[in-house]
Amino acid sequence: QQQVKQSPQSLIVQKGGIPIINCAYENTAFDYFPWYQQFPGKGPALLIAIRPDVSEKKEGRFTISFNKSAKQFSLHIMDSQPGDSATYFCAARNSGGSNYKLTFGKGTLLTVNP
Amino acid sequence: NAGVTQTPKFQVLKTGQSMTLQCAQDMNHNSMYWYRQDPGMGLRLIYYSASEGTTDKGEVPNGYNVSRLNKREFSLRLESAAPSQTSVYFCASSSTGGIQPQHFGDGTRLSIL
Repeated sequence: QQQVKQSPQSLIVQKGGIPIINCAYENTAFDYFPWYQQFPGKGPALLIAIRPDVSEKKEGRFTISFNKSAKQFSLHIMDSQPGDSATYFCAARNSGGSNYKLTFGKGTLLTVNP
Repeated sequence: NAGVTQTPKFQVLKTGQSMTLQCAQDMNHNSMYWYRQDPGMGLRLIYYSASEGTTDKGEVPNGYNVSRLNKREFSLRLESAAPSQTSVYFCASSSTGGIQPQHFGDGTRLSIL
């Protein structure tokens, strides 16, 4: 049972475009939502994270938007660059479970063309 | 500044063989994790160690064992490898109070024939 649904599976944009990656969940006990960026041959890297009491969080060109009522959250990359080409994973933590267990989405492969 | 170091980077095993994947971090982090990554599956937690001396099962622990040797090192052992364990394995760590893995190693690519 997949608890965090991520879409799209892959995404191609032109340099300067604004790719948007979406995640949806059903479990209302999720209370923390990080995003990870992974380059080929490397491990994931924590990119940005949000809690459900905040509707938006920005860090540089990366923005998370959170819609608690819809149980959805999304990652926006402003002024995307070819160096942003990577796989992006959303994740969620269950407040009723272990502090250390995250449920991951299946990932989105982003390609930014020059 | 090495961060999280995993060895080996690549390994091919035959079904039934055993091996240990090594992981060490130099950031004085309390918590360490082992994940596996399979195509189209995202990351799945195998085991984690909240602090030195403790280990707990994650989402997919069957067929694996772990040892938190000290604060720096967290190893993953496959006692009798199976083809279903062909995967990329990632070790990660986080600081005290960190509720998510913050730093990942570059992975061990394991093939079991």
